[in-house]
Amino acid sequence: AQSVAQPEDQVNVAEGNPLTVKCTYSVSGNPYLFWYVQYPNRGLQFLLKYITGDNLVKGSYGFEAEFNKSQTSFHLKKPSALVSDSALYFCAVRVPGASGNTGKLIFGQGTTLQVKP
Amino acid sequence: KAGVTQTPRYLIKTRGQQVTLSCSPISGHRSVSWYQQTPGQGLQFLFEYFSETQRNKGNFPGRFSGRQFSNSRSEMNVSTLELGDSALYLCASSPDSYYEQYFGPGTRLTVT
Repeated sequence: AQSVAQPEDQVNVAEGNPLTVKCTYSVSGNPYLFWYVQYPNRGLQFLLKYITGDNLVKGSYGFEAEFNKSQTSFHLKKPSALVSDSALYFCAVRVPGASGNTGKLIFGQGTTLQVKP
Repeated sequence: KAGVTQTPRYLIKTRGQQVTLSCSPISGHRSVSWYQQTPGQGLQFLFEYFSETQRNKGNFPGRFSGRQFSNSRSEMNVSTLELGDSALYLCASSPDSYYEQYFGPGTRLTVT
């Protein structure tokens, strides 16, 4: 079965320190992987994606993610955290349909990032 | 370009009633997907429409239905509302399946 796991409910980091939000996935075939961020009472904002190519993907607001096929992981990283990065982060994988075309995303449970001044 | 818009933003309904939520995708986007977000179940896929056809469906009862119009706008309907239907309903659009999805602000449905 297709699934996404975010093993940490919450990650705490001091402002200026590097941050990592973990994500592992289980999907048949080549994965399409995404990271989204959600601020309180808002919809999800797209951060970055991995479809193919370089394993290190750069996205919005200084975030990047490293795709590791052997470990089936897609961890989100940022070299220097900001207080304004505090939010709920979701990892997601696109599930391929029978015809290959599908907009279905499976999301992890989310990780709350708390950046303290 | 304007983002994904959803109306209404907030809704309070009584158990047993029905409700219709609306979503206007980003101009040019033909794929519209709907998700339900709750604290207990997280984000769950409801269905996806592409060019007025339902292309994929999640594991929700038949009380949940949707449609897409020729201008790509989409509606979802929930009949015979239950307390457990209280959730944030998110709509997302993309040019097609291989692209990232852009989400609207959501409709917060409260069933009393």
